[in-house]
Amino acid sequence: QVQLVESGGGVVQPGGSLRLSCAASEFIFSNYAMHWVRQAPGKGLEWVAFIRSDGSNIYYIDSVKGRFTISRDNSKNTLYLQMNTLRPEDTAVYYCAKDVSSWSAYYFDSWGQGTLVSVSS
Amino acid sequence: EIVLTQSPGTLSLSPGERATLSCRSSQSVRSTSLAWYQQKPGQAPRLLIYGASSRATGISDRFSASGSGTDFTLTISRLEPEDFAVYYCQQYGSSPLTFGGGTKVEIK
Repeated sequence: QVQLVESGGGVVQPGGSLRLSCAASEFIFSNYAMHWVRQAPGKGLEWVAFIRSDGSNIYYIDSVKGRFTISRDNSKNTLYLQMNTLRPEDTAVYYCAKDVSSWSAYYFDSWGQGTLVSVSS
Repeated sequence: EIVLTQSPGTLSLSPGERATLSCRSSQSVRSTSLAWYQQKPGQAPRLLIYGASSRATGISDRFSASGSGTDFTLTISRLEPEDFAVYYCQQYGSSPLTFGGGTKVEIK
């Protein structure tokens, strides 16, 4: 059973930074592309970022480009999301999600439980 | 960017009834690259369908889906109590990946 456990969420002021982590287990992490998907309170799902299995290709939604950085450490089976210059509209539950592919961005067959990021003064 | 529009926003039905959910795309979705997810309150989404019509591992055959191009449908043949949830479609044929706004299936 795939396990994805996010951590690092919390309350931060506008303009602040947070680093989210997602610890993966029970599958070969280095074989799969990974994503971050977020969900604002009471709203729908929004894809945020993608990283290929070997970290060689990365994509972001336009609204976070230049502010967020997705990365991974395959030796530690961990996915990261560095979030800088946070805005109130970044407030959401952030999920890490496993892709079915190693190479391309397809769909998500496993999700973590999510970690809440709240940007407020 | 492909915009996915789900309808209706809310579907009020009784257990045992059939649910039909729609997902329409602003552009043709390449190679039937469409997935459906179920999300219950306080939980992460769960994959139901991929490739527009293939059930994910462990998903009941009460769930079926079809469609191509710009029109896709998820059908729940006979609603069980555990099926009342929010359902999202997601396209993966074009970047960026996008989701529909969701359809809430609630108990009537």
